[in-house]
Amino acid sequence: AQTVTQSQPEMSVQEAETVTLSCTYDTSESDYYLFWYKQPPSRQMILVIRQEAYKQQNATENRFSVNFQKAAKSFSLKISDSQLGDAAMYFCAYRSQHLTGANSKLTFGKGITLSVRP
Amino acid sequence: DTGVSQDPRHKITKRGQNVTFRCDPISEHNRLYWYRQTLGQGPEFLTYFQNEAQLEKSRLLSDRFSAERPKGSFSTLEIQRTEQGDSAMYLCASSLILSSGTFGSGTRLTVV
Repeated sequence: AQTVTQSQPEMSVQEAETVTLSCTYDTSESDYYLFWYKQPPSRQMILVIRQEAYKQQNATENRFSVNFQKAAKSFSLKISDSQLGDAAMYFCAYRSQHLTGANSKLTFGKGITLSVRP
Repeated sequence: DTGVSQDPRHKITKRGQNVTFRCDPISEHNRLYWYRQTLGQGPEFLTYFQNEAQLEKSRLLSDRFSAERPKGSFSTLEIQRTEQGDSAMYLCASSLILSSGTFGSGTRLTVV
C-alpha cells in the first residue's frame, strides 16, 4: 500500500517571501501521479499542482513549483511571493497510474497548515 | 456547470440516528468518490463509483454505511445508527478517467 507523509504540521511565512512544504511518499510502483491540494477555511479542496512520475521536469504553475526527487520519494511544494490568500491547509496526495477501481483513488498525507504573516 | 455540490453543508444528529448525505457531481464525470476527513487528518478513501456501479469499498466503510449512485448521476451516502466516531467531514469528488478530480465543499457531520 502507498503512504504519504507530511511531517510538518504547521508553517508560517512572511507575505512576499518563499516557503517550501515537504512531502515524502512510499510506493513500490514506478509510474504514478503526485498532487498538492489546497484546502482553505471554506473547505473545498482545490488542486494546486500535479506531477507525473515519468516526467523528469518539475511542474510549475505560476507561483507554485515542485521539487520532485523520484529516487528519494520526495515531493516538496515551493510557494513564491506568498500572498495572504495562500493561507490554508495543504495536502500532498498520491495516485497510482493504474486507473482501475480503487487504484484511481487519492492517498493523502495529514496536511500542513500554512499561515501567511502580513 | 457549477462543480461538485454536496448537501447538507452541516448535519448535527443524535447518536443512534440515521443520516443521509447527497453529492451531485459534475455532469459529464463518470467517476465518483467518497472520502472521510477527521480533524487534523487528510481525507481517507471510503468508496468509489464508476457510473452506477460501486466498484470498491474501503475497510473503513462498516456495514452501517451504504452508498448508492442510481443511474450514474448523483450519489447518496447513508450512515445508520450513527456513533460519535462517525463525526467527520464527508467529501465527495468526481472525475473523468484521466483527471485528478474535483471536490465538493463537504458535509460536516457532528454526532452528539
